[in-house]
Order: sequence, then C-alpha cells, then structure tokens
Amino acid sequence: AQSVTQLDSQVPVFEEAPVELRCNYSSSVSVYLFWYVQYPNQGLQLLLKYLSGSTLVKGINGFEAEFNKSQTSFHLRKPSVHISDTAEYFCAVSGVDSSYKLIFGSGTRLLVRP
Amino acid sequence: DAGVTQSPTHLIKTRGQQVTLRCSPKSGHDTVSWYQQALGQGPQFIFQYYEEEERQRGNFPDRFSGHQFPNYSSELNVNALLLGDSALYLCASSSWGFGEGETQYFGPGTRLLVL
Repeated sequence: AQSVTQLDSQVPVFEEAPVELRCNYSSSVSVYLFWYVQYPNQGLQLLLKYLSGSTLVKGINGFEAEFNKSQTSFHLRKPSVHISDTAEYFCAVSGVDSSYKLIFGSGTRLLVRP
Repeated sequence: DAGVTQSPTHLIKTRGQQVTLRCSPKSGHDTVSWYQQALGQGPQFIFQYYEEEERQRGNFPDRFSGHQFPNYSSELNVNALLLGDSALYLCASSSWGFGEGETQYFGPGTRLLVL
C-alpha cells in the first residue's frame, strides 16, 4: 500500500518569489509520482509526473519537481510565482502494480500575494 | 475535443435516498475511475472500470456501485445516502495500459450535498 504526506496545508508567498511545496510518500513497491493542481470549482489538472529515468521532472506553467528515492520525497518547485498560481496542489502516488489507483495527499493551498 | 464531462454539476439529496452520477470519458479513452473528495481533503479512489467490469476498488462500502456502458461512459450509484457522503465526486479517464505512463484526465466533478 502507498501513502502520501503533504505537511503544509497552506503556503503563503509573495508574487515573483520562489516556492517549494513538500511531498513525502511511503510504499513497499516502486511508484509513479504526480502533482495535480485544482483551481476553485474545477477538476484536477496534471502539472507533471515521474515514471522513471531523470529524477528532475519539468511540467507545465514553469513548475518542476525532483524525485528523491532515499528521502522518499517529490517536492514541487517554481522559481517565480504569479497571482494566477493561487490554487490547491495535490501530490499523488501509485504503485507500479496498481497504476490506475492514485493515492492523494491532503493538499497544499498556495496563496500568492501581490 | 471534449474532455471528461460529468453530470449533474450539483445535487442535493436527503439521508437514505439514492443518487446516480454520470461521466463521459475523454475521446479515445476506455477506462474510467471515480474518486470522492471530501471538503478540505484529497481525492480518495472509489473504483475503476474497464471493458464494463470493475477492475480495482478502494476502501468504500457496497453502497457505492458503478457501471460502464459499451460507449465507455460510466455511472456511479450511491444507495442509502449518509451525511458523510457529501463531497465532490470526480471522474477520471485514461487508456488501459496506464502502467506505461498514461495520464488520468479529471472532469470538473459533481458536488453532492446530503441533508
């Protein structure tokens, strides 16, 4: 079984500042890792995913994440945020043996202030 | 190209009633998964359908059931509604063979309120 922990429920940051959203996971098997974003009253949109290979993954809207197997982490970063990045961000994991079943963290609300 | 669509967008029911939610997958997709997202929490996997059969199931009681039609659309049924069933229900579609990295695309959800 897998689990995901997003320790920060809310992260306030000023516009144009860098941001890091933390995600840690646990699993007894190899995993795939994902970051999704949810804007108000909308569904989830995939930002990026790690399947294998390079541990640095680049996604849409200038976001990137680094897979660290030894620390079982997959933190999301952006060097300069915009007001429009204000949203809920979810980290998710799936086992390679049950890859249709996404296990989500509780989410981190990114609040970008002018 | 239409993405994943869900209906209705909002629904109000009373305890004990039954509800049916509907989902049409993204064009070209044949697999549908359902998730429940309670307020302030991440989505939780309910079940997944492929070839009109339930393939995987999360930790949800039998009150939650589903169906997939030959055109790949899907329904989620919840019987004997409880107050705790109030949530946003999300449908996600993909192509079978996700093990090679296929992305799940999510619909906008159906918000269910049980009074």
